[in-house]
Amino acid sequence: EAGVAQSPRYKIIEKRQSVAFWCNPISGHATLYWYQQILGQGPKLLIQFQNNGVVDDSQLPKDRFSAERLKGVDSTLKIQPAKLEDSAVYLCASSPRLGMGGPYRETQYFGPGTRLLVL
Amino acid sequence: ELKVEQNPLFLSMQEGKNYTIYCNYSTTSDRLYWYRQDPGKSLESLFVLLSNGAVKQEGRLMASLDTKARLSTLHITAAVHDLSATYFCAVEGSSGAGSYQLTFGKGTKLSVIP
Repeated sequence: EAGVAQSPRYKIIEKRQSVAFWCNPISGHATLYWYQQILGQGPKLLIQFQNNGVVDDSQLPKDRFSAERLKGVDSTLKIQPAKLEDSAVYLCASSPRLGMGGPYRETQYFGPGTRLLVL
Repeated sequence: ELKVEQNPLFLSMQEGKNYTIYCNYSTTSDRLYWYRQDPGKSLESLFVLLSNGAVKQEGRLMASLDTKARLSTLHITAAVHDLSATYFCAVEGSSGAGSYQLTFGKGTKLSVIP
């Protein structure tokens, strides 16, 4: 079974530029997550999708970050314009079930991440 | 707001020794995950603990969960160099939007010295 795919793996941009990251979850996984991991910290959830709908984007800085998951499969995360403090690893994860209560919560499987450096 | 604290944040230990990593969290939860992250790599799921008193073991690692104390431990037995990595605990909590999300601790960077 193929894992979560992400691209690019590395990106260096200057502040105020734009950047986009792509994620292809494990086939059949309904729930997709984007996390930001700053050096020395644990991942912080930015946005959670269930199929092609947004479940929670309360921690997404919406003035500069946007994300979409068209057709409920792959997803893109965009930053426009980037700031120095956006330097981090952006992780995509997916889980096989809907992220709902009851017995259907499942382990999240993480992709390799995109390492972003903003100069 | 759910807060997750791990300690220690850095751990240097000799091969063959035992040690425990602690994970405390601030609000009620009955599901906790442990992940491993190697340098430059993504997170690998180690354990899912689903209820109070749950204990799981894989090789030299054993994880337990005490939901009443809001505490999980990851015990390392007879450490070997291959266990060197950063270990994260993540606690599941309700997002308030009808779904569940993970809140991660800062991680424990483990170095096993020959």
